[in-house]
Amino acid sequence: EDQVTQSPEALRLQEGESSSLNCSYTVSGLRGLFWYRQDPGKGPEFLFTLYSAGEEKEKERLKATLTKKESFLHITAPKPEDSATYLCAVSSSNTGKLIFGQGTTLQVKP
Amino acid sequence: GAVVSQHPSWVICKSGTSVKIECRSLDFQATTMFWYRQFPKQSLMLMATSNEGSKATYEQGVEKDKFLINHASLTLSTLTVTSAHPEDSSFYICSARGAGGRYEQYFGPGTRLTVT
Repeated sequence: EDQVTQSPEALRLQEGESSSLNCSYTVSGLRGLFWYRQDPGKGPEFLFTLYSAGEEKEKERLKATLTKKESFLHITAPKPEDSATYLCAVSSSNTGKLIFGQGTTLQVKP
Repeated sequence: GAVVSQHPSWVICKSGTSVKIECRSLDFQATTMFWYRQFPKQSLMLMATSNEGSKATYEQGVEKDKFLINHASLTLSTLTVTSAHPEDSSFYICSARGAGGRYEQYFGPGTRLTVT
C-alpha cells in the first residue's frame, strides 16, 4: 500500500536556526515526490518535484533531497515568513493520484 | 505560471440548498482536475478525479449523486454540492494537472463552505 509519513508533526525554530523536515514513503513505482507549502485557510502552493534518488532542488532558503525511501526538506536560516505547514506527497504509477503525508507545521519565531 | 483559481472563496448556504464551486486553470490547459476536501488540522482527502469530457471517478465513500463534478473544458471544472447539510461544511480545494507527462498538481486557493 502506498504510504507517506512526515516527521515531526510540529517544529518550532528560532529565526536563523536551520533544520530539516522528513518525509518517508513507500510507493509502487514512484512517478514523483512533491513538496507543497500550505498557509492557514489557503490551498497548497507547489514547491518542488523530485523524480529520482539523488536529485536535489533549491529555492531560496529551501532545499529538497530524495533517496529511495525518504525525502528531506532542509530550511536554512529560516525567517518568520517561512512559518506554514509543509506537505509531502507521492504519485504512484499504479494510480497517478497524489498520496499526502499529514504535514509538518513549522513555526519560526523572530 | 500554473495558476488555478476557485470561486467563490467562501459561501454560506442553508441546509437543503445546492452550491456550485468553480475551478479554473488560468494559464495552462488542465487535462485532469481533482477535488479535495480538508478538515481542520488534517491533510487533504481526495474526493474525485475528472478528465476533460469524461465522467468523474469518485473515491470510495464519496457520494457521486451528492457531489456532482463537471469538467466540460480544459480550463474549467465545477463541483456542485447538492442538498447540502451541515456535515458538508468543509474546505474544498481543487487542483489541476496539465498534459506532457508531468505529475505535479497545482492547487486553487480553496472554498470555505458553511451550511447552516
